[in-house]
Amino acid sequence: TQLLEQSPQFLSIQEGENLTVYCNSSSVFSSLQWYRQEPGEGPVLLVTVVTGGEVKKLKRLTFQFGDARKDSSLHITAAQPGDTGLYLCAITSGSRLTFGEGTQLTVNP
Amino acid sequence: GAVVSQHPSRVICKSGTSVKIECRSLDFQATTMFWYRQFPKQSLMLMATSNEGSKATYEQGVEKDKFLINHASLTLSTLTVTSAHPEDSSFYICSAPPGTYGYTFGSGTRLTVV
Repeated sequence: TQLLEQSPQFLSIQEGENLTVYCNSSSVFSSLQWYRQEPGEGPVLLVTVVTGGEVKKLKRLTFQFGDARKDSSLHITAAQPGDTGLYLCAITSGSRLTFGEGTQLTVNP
Repeated sequence: GAVVSQHPSRVICKSGTSVKIECRSLDFQATTMFWYRQFPKQSLMLMATSNEGSKATYEQGVEKDKFLINHASLTLSTLTVTSAHPEDSSFYICSAPPGTYGYTFGSGTRLTVV
């Protein structure tokens, strides 16, 4: 059973469109992280959400932590080709980092 | 910020041979290193955790004898893929536990077994 389920798994959109990626679990987390990874590189941390209901913005990216701290979403406004990549949510257990299934986003010019 | 140097970045080896991947923490000491494997367009799956001065901890389903992990010093952790087969072809990446700047990832190693 996957601890963190992400949807959609694959997403291909046109430049300028908006999109939302979801990360869900049946467990409650003290915090949740979002990463973006490009091919052949390590993941890069985008944000950490800690408080239930918390909303954080990073330019055109909006991250939300569910009120019950079981789920999170990532919304991208006016997507650009440079947003293409693998988006991963992740949680920590002790010092271990466990990733969700990932969402492969392709933004076409 | 903290840097983990991972080498090689790409390696092609023949089936049946062994390949060693190194991860070095350049400006900090890491008593623990996490090793992940990633197949194309999939997420990172934790394989094992190396611990300086003690045996590595392997995740369920990971073959200990095939993926040898050694944490030789506070700045060096290695993963050796023994008797590699084409199905071992993957992207392997290491990560040091969170410090001031969060988790620090190596740049990854693309292993191709032919």
